[in-house]
Amino acid sequence: QVHLAESGGGVVQPGRSLQLSCAASGFTFGTFSMHWVRQVPGKGLQWITSISFDGTITDYADSVKGRVTVSRDNSKHTLYLHMTRVRLEDTAVYHCAREGRTTHLRSFDLWGPGTMVTVSS
Amino acid sequence: DIQMTQSPSTLSASVGDSLTITCRASQTVNRWLAWYQQKRGTAPKLLIYKVSILESGVPSRFSGSVSGTEFTLTISSLQPDDFGTYYCQQYNGDWTFGQGTKVEIK
Repeated sequence: QVHLAESGGGVVQPGRSLQLSCAASGFTFGTFSMHWVRQVPGKGLQWITSISFDGTITDYADSVKGRVTVSRDNSKHTLYLHMTRVRLEDTAVYHCAREGRTTHLRSFDLWGPGTMVTVSS
Repeated sequence: DIQMTQSPSTLSASVGDSLTITCRASQTVNRWLAWYQQKRGTAPKLLIYKVSILESGVPSRFSGSVSGTEFTLTISSLQPDDFGTYYCQQYNGDWTFGQGTKVEIK
């Protein structure tokens, strides 16, 4: 069964760093571009970063550029998000999402349930 | 960056109603436009991609269309399982979501 599962969320103090993971199963992880999308509770969705299937191409939203690094380990079927200097406004549920291929290109055809990050002193 | 203005923000409807949700793009957008449904506390689910192509397993009462820069999601006969929040999403060099439309039971 195709599945994405995020982990690593929790409470983090402002200015500290965090790392999130997304474990993939049930599909050929190394052939898909992957993304992180976050959602402030009760609010909408915000795309924050993407990484190509082989990890050679990354892209970041302006709101997190310089503080966020996305990476992947295809041998472990895992996607990562590293965020430094976290801010109160980074409090959100962080979803990993798979970008579809061919006809599904530029849409997210598989999502994880998300992991909650709370930035608080 | 392209902005997607989604409306309405909230919509009250009854089972059997037909409803329409729109997303207006701030500039010309190609056909990389998708619609998602999200139930409270769960991940979004892809409904439609490339403006009008129904994702596998999605009921045919859902449909998508475009006129100029206005994209539309239509549900032809609302069912109990259709209540939730709907988002549009575009890609044109950057990734943008609409603000969401919450579909509630009247």
